[in-house]
Amino acid sequence: GDSVTQMEGPVTLSEEAFLTINCTYTATGYPSLFWYVQYPGEGLQLLLKATKADDKGSNKGFEATYRKETTSFHLEKGSVQVSDSAVYFCALKGGAQKLVFGQGTRLTINP
Amino acid sequence: EPEVTQTPSHQVTQMGQEVILRCVPISNHLYFYWYRQILGQKVEFLVSFYNNEISEKSEIFDDQFSVERPDGSNFTLKIRSTKLEDSAMYFCASRERLARTYEQYFGPGTRLTVT
Repeated sequence: GDSVTQMEGPVTLSEEAFLTINCTYTATGYPSLFWYVQYPGEGLQLLLKATKADDKGSNKGFEATYRKETTSFHLEKGSVQVSDSAVYFCALKGGAQKLVFGQGTRLTINP
Repeated sequence: EPEVTQTPSHQVTQMGQEVILRCVPISNHLYFYWYRQILGQKVEFLVSFYNNEISEKSEIFDDQFSVERPDGSNFTLKIRSTKLEDSAMYFCASRERLARTYEQYFGPGTRLTVT
């Protein structure tokens, strides 16, 4: 069945560092791909999405490109801030309704 | 900005007891979902609900689970006889019927602890 694998966390970086969180997927066909973020005490929020191969999703300085050939959707940001500290989830739209999530990566940014 | 709310934020119950987790989806949304996350594991889909019936469910969603939309605002998940392995964070989500982005809006979750 469909599945998503994220890099193991937690990830700790200094402010202004470059961020990459790896995400690969297994699915039939070409599913839509998402990154969700969960800030402390809040629900999952959609950060960005891509619906077809080579699409680049972007939001708040974060980017991810849908790579069909490597079945990947890595999250990147050029210069992280303390306020980016959160848990990040990669997900794909599988089945008729459901989202299939990776295990989440906890990111901590130190000033 | 409208948001999905969930109550309680934390529920502690004894094994074998029934629990009801409550959610208030965004008011104009028509699709509703429950997901759960066991500590340290992935967020897992449980069930989706549309037009007053279940539209999709996972293998986890067995006869011990049920969902209901008892009125125009609430969406509930009931676990009839809780087990230790039901301890998890439960997330409710909702989306608009015509959302081309397929964005699901999530609540903050209810942490269920079964002792």
